[in-house]
Amino acid sequence: EADIYQTPRYLVIGTGKKITLECSQTMGHDKMYWYQQDPGMELHLIHYSYGVNSTEKGDLSSESTVSRIRTEHFPLTLESARPSHTSQYLCASSSTGETQYFGPGTRLLVL
Amino acid sequence: GNSVTQMEGPVTLSEEAFLTINCTYTATGYPSLFWYVQYPGEGLQLLLKATKADDKGSNKGFEATYRKETTSFHLEKGSVQVSDSAVYFCALSDRTSGAGSYQLTFGKGTKLSVIP
Repeated sequence: EADIYQTPRYLVIGTGKKITLECSQTMGHDKMYWYQQDPGMELHLIHYSYGVNSTEKGDLSSESTVSRIRTEHFPLTLESARPSHTSQYLCASSSTGETQYFGPGTRLLVL
Repeated sequence: GNSVTQMEGPVTLSEEAFLTINCTYTATGYPSLFWYVQYPGEGLQLLLKATKADDKGSNKGFEATYRKETTSFHLEKGSVQVSDSAVYFCALSDRTSGAGSYQLTFGKGTKLSVIP
């Protein structure tokens, strides 16, 4: 079973602030993903990475950016938070690309 | 393209009732199929999976059979418990749909509430 961590678990922040959501995994998985989960529960892939120095945008357009400098670390950054960014953000990792292991999520509220 | 359609919720059942959550899929290749579960306040966990036609995935009393002829992967449990209250997601992975495609296509989720 993969161990995957997300911090913070909850974040309340004002409009215009820069934030970084952290995601780390200890299983050496080369594939990592960020999903945005809306209040209706639907999941939207916003970023993914298949290895170090590799990042791609997902199906849902997002104003966030990601980096993958180390295998275990896949942070997501919002340069200027807005109320429309209020959501839950889920990070996942995988070795095969099929079974994905999810972190506990970060609930973001932008005022 | 690939897509997953699952029954809309919410679904409310009494404890010990029989559960079925329908899931059908469209895929260009030969997908693997998954059910994930999300308990309140948590991320998703893999519940079960099946990688080829007629395979049955099972875990914690839940079962689902990969039916290629009906493109379905319905989730069933014979007797639900209050602790099964969660959101259930059907998903597929179709590596043959494109070189280097390592993504899951999720359904919209079905919220299950089990009452004592």
